[in-house]
Amino acid sequence: AQTVTQSQPEMSVQEAETVTLSCTYDTSENNYYLFWYKQPPSRQMILVIRQEAYKQQNATENRFSVNFQKAAKSFSLKISDSQLGDTAMYFCAFMKYNAGNMLTFGGGTRLMVKP
Amino acid sequence: GAGVSQSPRYKVAKRGQDVALRCDPISGHVSLFWYQQALGQGPEFLTYFQNEAQLDKSGLPSDRFFAERPEGSVSTLKIQRTQQEDSAVYLCASSLARLWDRDSNQPQHFGDGTRLSIL
Repeated sequence: AQTVTQSQPEMSVQEAETVTLSCTYDTSENNYYLFWYKQPPSRQMILVIRQEAYKQQNATENRFSVNFQKAAKSFSLKISDSQLGDTAMYFCAFMKYNAGNMLTFGGGTRLMVKP
Repeated sequence: GAGVSQSPRYKVAKRGQDVALRCDPISGHVSLFWYQQALGQGPEFLTYFQNEAQLDKSGLPSDRFFAERPEGSVSTLKIQRTQQEDSAVYLCASSLARLWDRDSNQPQHFGDGTRLSIL
């Protein structure tokens, strides 16, 4: 079984600054996907960024980037130039390699971007 | 609409009542997932369908929980004899991915969820 741990229940950052959210996971799988999802108060889970474990290059999506350390089983999310609209819950998630399998989520980090 | 649609958005029921939650996935999406999200926690997997086949129901917490997708599109999650611990947000997600697809880049698309409150 896989486990995903987010050790920061809450974080805050000033608008335009950079913040990093932490995530660690435990698995015996060698190939898998990792995700960061954003959940605003509207409750809809929005995919922020995805990383395939067999790719060494860290994924980036505009202001969002990850630091994927496979040996350490660490997958942090960096948000640059934080915006007020980034305020939300952020969830790290794991999926086994065979697509169609379920996501295993961490407990989430509540991020507040302050003006 | 083009997204995953869930109804009702809010549901309040008395303990012991039966409830039914509906999920309308994105058209053409083969895979459908149900998750349960307790207050302040991450979602937890309940069950998975590929078309009309329920391939994994290992996350259903008890035999009071039942899910179906008879025609491979709309799905219903039914909870019988509700208990207070069933209070949560129930999220539905759909995907083009099929089980055993290798190296699929098909993400899961989520609905807005149904917030269930048991009094």
